[in-house]
Amino acid sequence: DAGVTQSPTHLIKTRGQQVTLRCSPKSGHDTVSWYQQALGQGPQFIFQYYEEEERQRGNFPDRFSGHQFPNYSSELNVNALLLGDSALYLCASRGQGRRTEAFFGQGTRLTVV
Amino acid sequence: GIQVEQSPPDLILQEGANSTLRCNFSDSVNNLQWFHQNPWGQLINLFYIPSGTKQNGRLSATTVATERYSLLYISSSQTTDSGVYFCAVTGGGNKLTFGTGTQLKVEL
Repeated sequence: DAGVTQSPTHLIKTRGQQVTLRCSPKSGHDTVSWYQQALGQGPQFIFQYYEEEERQRGNFPDRFSGHQFPNYSSELNVNALLLGDSALYLCASRGQGRRTEAFFGQGTRLTVV
Repeated sequence: GIQVEQSPPDLILQEGANSTLRCNFSDSVNNLQWFHQNPWGQLINLFYIPSGTKQNGRLSATTVATERYSLLYISSSQTTDSGVYFCAVTGGGNKLTFGTGTQLKVEL
């Protein structure tokens, strides 16, 4: 059983560019969330997708957008990259319901130069 | 929103020692999970424990939801236990709110 998979694992972008990160959830999971983890801090919630719609959003600007596909996989898009967007981006998936365990992918390390 | 505090922030142990990590949260929660983040950034699930006590090998955890805290016990620590330990909770929604983590270093 494949767990949560993310691609790419590392990425270097120039300030002002756009980036797309991808996530495939664990088998049987239909809810995907994205988190940003800056160096030395805990992960911060960006948004959550369920049934191809954004259901909950954290305190991130509109430059951060996402999408969920019918096969439950998801993309995170960040426009007009800033140096401060450099971070580890983590994807998590869970099954339906409030009392379900979340599992994380290995993350995408984004560096903006 | 829910606030999550972890203590201690840093911990250095000799191999074979035992330790207790604490997680306090400010409101009632639906879920509570403990994770170990390895040096490559992977968050590894340790426990899903919104209440009660669980054990897995040298690790165990207890959550007292009514008093809003959880404890992670590590016994007979090994160098491979080094890394950052996070507690994370969900309140009314499904988003996980993470604590600031405990950085553990186990030395020979």
